[in-house]
Amino acid sequence: QKEVEQNSGPLSVPEGAIASLNCTYSDRVSQSFFWYRQYSGKSPELIMSIYSNGDKEDGRFTAQLNKASQYVSLLIRDSQPSDSATYLCAVNPGFQKLVFGTGTRLLVSP
Amino acid sequence: DTEVTQTPKHLVMGMTNKKSLKCEQHMGHRAMYWYKQKAKKPPELMFVYSYEKLSINESVPSRFSPECPNSSLLNLHLHALQPEDSALYLCASSQGGDASATQYFGPGTRLLVL
Repeated sequence: QKEVEQNSGPLSVPEGAIASLNCTYSDRVSQSFFWYRQYSGKSPELIMSIYSNGDKEDGRFTAQLNKASQYVSLLIRDSQPSDSATYLCAVNPGFQKLVFGTGTRLLVSP
Repeated sequence: DTEVTQTPKHLVMGMTNKKSLKCEQHMGHRAMYWYKQKAKKPPELMFVYSYEKLSINESVPSRFSPECPNSSLLNLHLHALQPEDSALYLCASSQGGDASATQYFGPGTRLLVL
């Protein structure tokens, strides 16, 4: 069973703080990793994709990938109340599939 | 532009009804996907079309029937559904079907089966 694990949360952070979201995956052949944000009642929205070990930054978001540890994370700097949502980690183990984690609910308090 | 559109936004149907969900993209993407998402759960893959051919069927019951009329359109035909099929149905598309292809999701159709 190919699995993607996330802490369901909620992860509560004050406005302006750094939110750190973590994800582990079981399939070592996985090559592509994605973070999606999903607001309640809405569809998933792509935040970041990462394919190589190391960090990838886009604005307030930084994705980190460590394939040896089978670990991917998302850092959100200067968190805003509008960042409050469920963050889904998704892994592509090949064969056109995306395997999603159960998501981490983030709450940013003003 | 990374827009995937879906119609209708909401659908209520009885267990004897036949209905269809529609998905459209004009990004030139050659892979399209149907997902089902229940409340507080992650999306679950149902079907994948690659270059207009069905490439993955995740053992979905035959009461769900996908169709890809052309490279921009994807339909999901529904017949004799059960109340447990009530969910958010998401369409996605990607440039190709390879492992690195980013999938972009439409807004979804919220389905209620009575």
